[in-house]
Amino acid sequence: EPEVTQTPSHQVTQMGQEVILRCVPISNHLYFYWYRQILGQKVEFLVSFYNNEISEKSEIFDDQFSVERPDGSNFTLKIRSTKLEDSAMYFCASSERRNVGGEKLFFGSGTQLSVL
Amino acid sequence: QKEVEQNSGPLSVPEGAIASLNCTYSDRVSQSFFWYRQYSGKSPELIMSIYSNGDKEDGRFTAQLNKASQYVSLLIRDSQPSDSATYLCAVNIKNTGNQFYFGTGTSLTVIP
Repeated sequence: EPEVTQTPSHQVTQMGQEVILRCVPISNHLYFYWYRQILGQKVEFLVSFYNNEISEKSEIFDDQFSVERPDGSNFTLKIRSTKLEDSAMYFCASSERRNVGGEKLFFGSGTQLSVL
Repeated sequence: QKEVEQNSGPLSVPEGAIASLNCTYSDRVSQSFFWYRQYSGKSPELIMSIYSNGDKEDGRFTAQLNKASQYVSLLIRDSQPSDSATYLCAVNIKNTGNQFYFGTGTSLTVIP
């Protein structure tokens, strides 16, 4: 069964360093997302990406964040200068595009980011 | 403001009982509704989707949707200890984009 894959599963970094989280969405999906979940808290939307551009972003997704689809398969989230409060599980997700509705969102297994 | 609200729980039920999870949403243009199960430290896993008013059954799971009341629920029959997890309600909204909004989740414990 197709799945969303994420690498790495764990990332430890020093405050102020740049990190890149990588994702390979399901191949026939057209919408891509990044969510994050701080330990014990809700799943929070960061950004959605469609047709090679950001379609929506949340208040969390400030200038320190960027997303890219560098080739036909990868989808990356970059945090330019990490802060302690960026420590969280980051989930990549993807969905199909259906005009009638009924798209389902599928998650990758997540990258646990720890900022020290 | 688009919000999805759930009782955070925890909800405890004995093994074999029915667990009832509830969710309300504020945005009337919400079009599709989902229940995800999340085990501790794992990613959310889709277990049910519903798009029309009424009930939808899949095995031990039944989703109920009432768009007039902006309410969606999940019933788990014959609850098993393996059902112990956090259940997330999500709504899909198509306006300018294609957005999925999540509730805070309800923690369910099934007691053997």
